[in-house]
Amino acid sequence: EAGVVQSPRYKIIEKKQPVAFWCNPISGHNTLYWYLQNLGQGPELLIRYENEEAVDDSQLPKDRFSAERLKGVDSTLKIQPAELGDSAVYLCASSPGTGAQFEAFFGQGTRLTVV
Amino acid sequence: GDSVTQMEGPVTLSEEAFLTINCTYTATGYPSLFWYVQYPGEGLQLLLKATKADDKGSNKGFEATYRKETTSFHLEKGSVQVSDSAVYFCALRNQAGTALIFGKGTTLSVSS
Repeated sequence: EAGVVQSPRYKIIEKKQPVAFWCNPISGHNTLYWYLQNLGQGPELLIRYENEEAVDDSQLPKDRFSAERLKGVDSTLKIQPAELGDSAVYLCASSPGTGAQFEAFFGQGTRLTVV
Repeated sequence: GDSVTQMEGPVTLSEEAFLTINCTYTATGYPSLFWYVQYPGEGLQLLLKATKADDKGSNKGFEATYRKETTSFHLEKGSVQVSDSAVYFCALRNQAGTALIFGKGTTLSVSS
């Protein structure tokens, strides 16, 4: 079974430019997460989807960040315009269920560098 | 709100030493608890989990016991190897399943 796939693995952009990340979750996983991981820190939730609905986007900086999950499968996360402080690893994860007992499966992440 | 606190690193050990990484949590109800491991350049991988009080999760020689009375889920391994060098994250998923919260991570470095 394929795991969570993210692309690109690495991205370098100039500040004020737009950038987009893509995630393909594990087949059949209805729950999808986007996390931000700063250097030396634990992942912090940006947004959680149940199917195609964003059920928790309270931590997403909506002035510059947006996300979508069309048809409840793949998801994209966009930043426009990027700022220097957005340099971090963006992790996508999926989960087979909403109960407490279900773990999340993570992709390898996209490392963003804003120069 | 719910939170996870784990010991600051880095933890530096010699091969075959005993490992403990402390993790405590704050949550209402009955969360599930997880340890994830992140090797350099990789994403997070589930190491072990426990879904109810007194459960012991184990994998690859690592163990952790869900202690509700002390709200703890400490990670232990009897004899570490160089290949165990990584960052370890303690996490909880709340009872409703609506939040998956991570600690800040503990870096383990094992030398031969």
